Amino acid sequence: AQKITQTQPGMFVQEKEAVTLDCTYDTSDPSYGLFWYKQPSSGEMIFLIYQGSYDQQNATEGRYSLNFQKARKSANLVISASQLGDSAMYFCAMRPFSNYKLTFGKGTLLTVNP
Amino acid sequence: GAVVSQHPSRVICKSGTSVKIECRSLDFQATTMFWYRQFPKKSLMLMATSNEGSKATYEQGVEKDKFLINHASLTLSTLTVTSAHPEDSSFYICSACSSGVLYNEQFFGPGTRLTVL
Repeated sequence: AQKITQTQPGMFVQEKEAVTLDCTYDTSDPSYGLFWYKQPSSGEMIFLIYQGSYDQQNATEGRYSLNFQKARKSANLVISASQLGDSAMYFCAMRPFSNYKLTFGKGTLLTVNP
Repeated sequence: GAVVSQHPSRVICKSGTSVKIECRSLDFQATTMFWYRQFPKKSLMLMATSNEGSKATYEQGVEKDKFLINHASLTLSTLTVTSAHPEDSSFYICSACSSGVLYNEQFFGPGTRLTVL
């Protein structure tokens, strides 16, 4: 079974500053993928970034980067130069390569202040 | 990127009626589709996994007879909430993925908000 833990129910950040959203995971599968999704108030799930368990380098996508520390089983999302439009719920998720099932964390509500 | 649509986006129904929600992959063939349920300010909980042409696999605790899933084609899956009750009110989200994608990314639909009166 997989478990995703997001310990920050809510986070505040000032516009243009960077913010880190924490995510730790637990799995017995040797191969897996880690995902971050953004869910604005409208409800749609927006894919942000992916990290494979065998990837040597941390994933980056524009202002998003994933700080992957495999030994510590953490996959923190870093958002640089925060924008007001970044205010949303952020979910960390994991999928073992043995199946397609995504397991989600409880989410972090990010609020960007002007 | 791949597009997944859901219909309807919002539905209000009376207790006891059945509601059908459609999930369509618009520009790719979805070998597997997933149905999630999300309560307000909560995480997504996987309800079931459906593969085209076969019976859905339900997660523990999800009533098969309550939530009927049909995946009749590679572009369409439907979730029918039978004899809906107020406790079935929730946000239902589908996702779809196709084999062959590098990391089998799931593409999410925009969700359906169900309110049962």
